[in-house]
Amino acid sequence: SQQGEEDPQALSIQEGENATMNCSYKTSINNLQWYRQNSGRGLVHLILIRSNEREKHSGRLRVTLDTSKKSSSLLITASRAADTASYFCASMNSGYSTLTFGKGTMLLVSP
Amino acid sequence: KAGVTQTPRYLIKTRGQQVTLSCSPISGHRSVSWYQQTPGQGLQFLFEYFSETQRNKGNFPGRFSGRQFSNSRSEMNVSTLELGDSALYLCASSTRQSPGRDGYTFGSGTRLTVV
Repeated sequence: SQQGEEDPQALSIQEGENATMNCSYKTSINNLQWYRQNSGRGLVHLILIRSNEREKHSGRLRVTLDTSKKSSSLLITASRAADTASYFCASMNSGYSTLTFGKGTMLLVSP
Repeated sequence: KAGVTQTPRYLIKTRGQQVTLSCSPISGHRSVSWYQQTPGQGLQFLFEYFSETQRNKGNFPGRFSGRQFSNSRSEMNVSTLELGDSALYLCASSTRQSPGRDGYTFGSGTRLTVV
């Protein structure tokens, strides 16, 4: 069963605006990863943050992790129409090599 | 380098039949994981193989099975198909030595429709 929950379920913004997605998980983790999925195709790895890290940047992406609240957020700055996709957080539980996914956030960026 | 290759891309089967899906990981990747994605349950872990050994298994019935070959290619099999098995099946590969560091590379998936 899934242990992660993303918030919001859907997000609609204009190009140039920032998009923030939140994720919560239930058990202790080794790391947390974010993936993007376009129209029911494969998942693309975006960024990974380890349990001992609090913030990480990659290009227009910024991810934070709060292990005390068991939550993470993904910020996409200066959104583009090409960012339209579903975004999933996935936690890797301590001691395992499997990912537990959230239900995802559907992001729509309008030109 | 070539990505993760899944075949076939689309598949339509009848209830009661069985199906075999194939996944070729990135060259050098020895870990292959399988996930099922449905609108209702989202993404769920099926199993993970490393060096031809199943290391982890998700909460799926025994109708779902898999294997990995010496060249790291993997297959998953679903027997006695049910309508609820209709889903996008995704394969992911990693180096395993540091799957947490690099994340996973996913294939484009096989979309299975059971009628």
